[in-house]
Amino acid sequence: DIQMTQSPSSLSASVGDRVTITCRASQGISNYLAWYQQKPGKVPKLLIYAASTLQSGVPSRFSGSGSGTDFTLTISSLQPEDVATYYCQKYNSAPIFTFGPGTKVDIK
Amino acid sequence: QLQLQESGPGLVKPSETLSLTCTVSGGSISSSSYYWGWIRQPPGKGLEWIGSIYYSGSTYYNPSLKSRVTISVDTSKNQFSLKLSSVTAADTAVYYCARVYCGGDPPYYYYMDVWGKGTTVTVSS
Repeated sequence: DIQMTQSPSSLSASVGDRVTITCRASQGISNYLAWYQQKPGKVPKLLIYAASTLQSGVPSRFSGSGSGTDFTLTISSLQPEDVATYYCQKYNSAPIFTFGPGTKVDIK
Repeated sequence: QLQLQESGPGLVKPSETLSLTCTVSGGSISSSSYYWGWIRQPPGKGLEWIGSIYYSGSTYYNPSLKSRVTISVDTSKNQFSLKLSSVTAADTAVYYCARVYCGGDPPYYYYMDVWGKGTTVTVSS
């Protein structure tokens, strides 16, 4: 089975900072990766799919990149409303999914 | 606007079967562009995919849960359901249903673009 890891597990940054979260797959997964944001007590929300395609309505300060085994989610200028846990999720050539363990983002 | 709503008992006894239903409103469950999925989140922990189903009844399950999971669809009611047998306290979680988009050029993209609000299920005697 392909395992997903994320780093860091948590981070604290200041408003306006550039924040980068890394997701790594134990084997190559092409660009079969999505990112989700889950605010405290809320439902997960799709941010990015196909590694780098921004979901409609998501602020442009969010971006994704990567292919193969290494992927990043970047928040170009952290805002207070971005406090959340971020999950990467891989999919196969079928609707079979594995989530990463999550990265918790706080405001310093 | 598409909405998903989970329903079912909030308390299940150990060794019994957990049964949940997701009702889809504002759209058809029989759309060719979508699968439908179940995801869970134990208290204070991360997200775990349980399984996915197509309106035709084709299913995919998490290998770690496959022996205990059955997902079914009722197109006449615009609903799909989850059954998880032989539950233990480890199955205590918020259970979400979600729409799974399937699109692009083959091989297809899959991602969960609409989620239900989630329902809390506690396994306890």
